[in-house]
Amino acid sequence: QTVVTQEPSFSVSPGETVTLTCGLNSGSVSTTYYPSWYQQTPGQAPRTLIFSTNTRSSGVPDRFSGSILGNKAALTITGAQADDESDYYCVLYMGSGIWVFGGGTKLTVL
Amino acid sequence: EVQLVESGGGLVQPGGSLRLSCATSGFTFSSYWMSWVRQAPGKGLEWVATIKPDGSEKYYVDSVKGRFTISRDNAKNSLSLQMNSLRAEDTSVYYCASYSGYDFDYWGQGTLVTVSS
Repeated sequence: QTVVTQEPSFSVSPGETVTLTCGLNSGSVSTTYYPSWYQQTPGQAPRTLIFSTNTRSSGVPDRFSGSILGNKAALTITGAQADDESDYYCVLYMGSGIWVFGGGTKLTVL
Repeated sequence: EVQLVESGGGLVQPGGSLRLSCATSGFTFSSYWMSWVRQAPGKGLEWVATIKPDGSEKYYVDSVKGRFTISRDNAKNSLSLQMNSLRAEDTSVYYCASYSGYDFDYWGQGTLVTVSS
């Protein structure tokens, strides 16, 4: 069974840089999985930050960037701000019409 | 303005059925892949099902195969999810989402399904 792994939680100070990762329980994440990243605040629907590994969605601040780091997809927030405190989810396209979300990372900015 | 509005959630007993609907507007519904994504209380997102623009192909997460059916009515710009043989673990907020070919770009606000006796 495919499991997409994310750090359950992360803490960052305002202004610092943080990198969240998205891996696979077996194998490496590559661009062929078209990794996407979503931000979700309590009670709200998710919104897209990054799609196709590193393309920023419309209106997303450029402090958010996506990449492949080693064998994982990565979301980097450069200069974290207080309103970046949210849950972050990655999702991978496994082919054959199947997507798998990661468990999410709860980011605290303090 | 793009809008996706889910309805049909509620309380249902284990083994029961429920049909969710998603009314859409503001985009060319018939050109989009459409999906259902759910989120159990306090838990993460889980992709549930996707349907191609013409309805010719449908895809499901293993845990709902044989129990859930996704469908669409392009004339009415609407998406549905028929859920049968419901289990406690199906309790979630169910989101309707459009898929642009790159990401799940538009989402509804979700409808809560609670499976409990």
